[in-house]
Amino acid sequence: GIQVEQSPPDLILQEGANSTLRCNFSDSVNNLQWFHQNPWGQLINLFYIPSGTKQNGRLSATTVATERYSLLYISSSQTTDSGVYFCAVGVHGGTSYGKLTFGQGTILTVHP
Amino acid sequence: GAGVSQSPSNKVTEKGKDVELRCDPISGHTALYWYRQSLGQGLEFLIYFQGNSAPDKSGLPSDRFSAERTGGSVSTLTIQRTQQEDSAVYLCASSFHSQETQYFGPGTRLLVL
Repeated sequence: GIQVEQSPPDLILQEGANSTLRCNFSDSVNNLQWFHQNPWGQLINLFYIPSGTKQNGRLSATTVATERYSLLYISSSQTTDSGVYFCAVGVHGGTSYGKLTFGQGTILTVHP
Repeated sequence: GAGVSQSPSNKVTEKGKDVELRCDPISGHTALYWYRQSLGQGLEFLIYFQGNSAPDKSGLPSDRFSAERTGGSVSTLTIQRTQQEDSAVYLCASSFHSQETQYFGPGTRLLVL
């Protein structure tokens, strides 16, 4: 099956710093989503971005599908950005049309 | 509107007992997914429903696991004869159609003693 690798595994920042999280995947995808899991365990969808670039406030994401990677940018980080960031992908065809395969996540800690 | 809800939020059971976990998706969402999150395995797909049918059950770990969806809405995940390795957080998600943004519920934390 498809492999999803996220880097870095851990990231520690001071409030106000910027960061870039990376997601590499091993096959063509037609579905890519970024999620934030807060300290209480709730998964929040940040972006649906199988290709191209999107921005939402201090967050933006870019997916280069032909090169099989996606980047999540966090600018001017805040303590509330702490948590785990997951990249998840879905592949073409068959009956796997809805299934997402998740990476292992990047644990982000933002200190005041 | 209301998000995805799951019940119970926590469940403690004894090894060998059966458990039922419930998911109420966002109204109007045709696609529903079950995932499992554990320390050792990360987030794993279990099963996908489109309407009431399940075209992808490939993630169910054994025949002790089953799921159904009725009325294109509520879904129940049943684990028979629970084992300690079934301990995990069981997450439900829904989307308007497959291959679209998935919205997750808060999860059910299952502990098998």
